[in-house]
Amino acid sequence: DTAVSQTPKYLVTQMGNDKSIKCEQNLGHDTMYWYKQDSKKFLKIMFSYNNKELIINETVPNRFSPKSPDKAHLNLHINSLELGDSAVYFCASSQRGLAANEQFFGPGTRLTVL
Amino acid sequence: KNEVEQSPQNLTAQEGEFITINCSYSVGISALHWLQQHPGGGIVSLFMLSSGKKKHGRLIATINIQEKHSSLHITASHPRDSAVYICAVKGYQKVTFGTGTKLQVIP
Repeated sequence: DTAVSQTPKYLVTQMGNDKSIKCEQNLGHDTMYWYKQDSKKFLKIMFSYNNKELIINETVPNRFSPKSPDKAHLNLHINSLELGDSAVYFCASSQRGLAANEQFFGPGTRLTVL
Repeated sequence: KNEVEQSPQNLTAQEGEFITINCSYSVGISALHWLQQHPGGGIVSLFMLSSGKKKHGRLIATINIQEKHSSLHITASHPRDSAVYICAVKGYQKVTFGTGTKLQVIP
């Protein structure tokens, strides 16, 4: 009954490969997010989707493409992986309109690019 | 200068102490978010607030919009409170994070 789940938990891959990270939430939320946490533990938002529509797109290379097939899923596809993409990627969800707008985070996916 | 500054960066406290973590920001915001990241990496949302004060258990968060400042207080601290506490401010279509405050509570 996990609220926000991500797969895989760990991903080790070679430079130049294309990979995807999947995120699913069963909370009925209408907004989902992708965050990147670098080696210095600094969190940064990458994307935000509301009802399958992109509403935040920070300065992220276009090698990163989020895909939201429905409100419950927001997958992150990364093309031509680079060493600097190594980080922990967190998915989160929230419900717009609720007073708290509290976000629920997934467990994270640790991506290592060799 | 970062848009969101947290202090202190590191904090060590004895069990039972009252703890305060500060967050100052320089941009207009619609809400401020306090997050807790456990040593294992998991992130938990503690509070989202846009005015006044919120309390949950031993945790209290306050925000002063005029002064662009928020504080997170932990009463009767416990070793299980050891974590990194992150402040994030929500502007128009943008979220900016502080660099976090690493708290260690010693028994």
